[in-house]
Amino acid sequence: EIVLTQSPGTLSLSPGERATLSCRASQSVSRNYLAWYQQIPGQAPRLLIYGASSRATGIPDRFSGSGSGTDFTLTISRLEPEDFAVYYCQQYGDSRRFTFGPGTKVDIK
Amino acid sequence: QVQLQESGPGLLKPSQTLSVTCTVSDDSISSGSYYWTWIRQQPGKGLEWIGYIFNSGSTYYNLSLKSLFTISIDTSMNQFSLKLSSVTAADTAVYYCARGGGYCSGGSCYVYYPMDVWGQGTTVTVSS
Repeated sequence: EIVLTQSPGTLSLSPGERATLSCRASQSVSRNYLAWYQQIPGQAPRLLIYGASSRATGIPDRFSGSGSGTDFTLTISRLEPEDFAVYYCQQYGDSRRFTFGPGTKVDIK
Repeated sequence: QVQLQESGPGLLKPSQTLSVTCTVSDDSISSGSYYWTWIRQQPGKGLEWIGYIFNSGSTYYNLSLKSLFTISIDTSMNQFSLKLSSVTAADTAVYYCARGGGYCSGGSCYVYYPMDVWGQGTTVTVSS
């Protein structure tokens, strides 16, 4: 099973600041099949990024993903008030064993 | 735009059977190249993948959950379901259904897209 580790656990920032979230895999993610989701409390997760760097439909361009192999990054260029949430990475390269990271909470400083 | 809606029992006692259904609206569950999946989130915790099913009926489960779950699909009702027998308090969670991209060919199934459509989730509490 591919174990995903996310850092930091919590990121305290102000609106307008840049957020950089990390996701590290215990082994290489096949085809860079790494996704990022945003979850606002009380809501279902929303897909932001797939294939490590492609934005899902309707996702603003302030969200960007990068990385390959075992190291991946989600960047939010300028935080909007609605971006304060929990972010999860997920690998789907091992299609028999999807795994999620533990999440990074982005909260208001 | 396809929509997913979970329905579940709300409250269960330990040792009872959990049965949750996801109804697919505005699209046929049989059409396209998709897998239909279940994810749960225990209170205050992260996301845990349970398993998924393809239109063909092929299923894959999170082996860490010791295969206690069963996922089935009913194309006539445009639904897919999750069952867990003999629940415990540890099964208290919000259960989400979701859709992702994948297909089966030659006896094997392949995933090429993550979960992009999610239901709102249904809360299941296990308590005596």
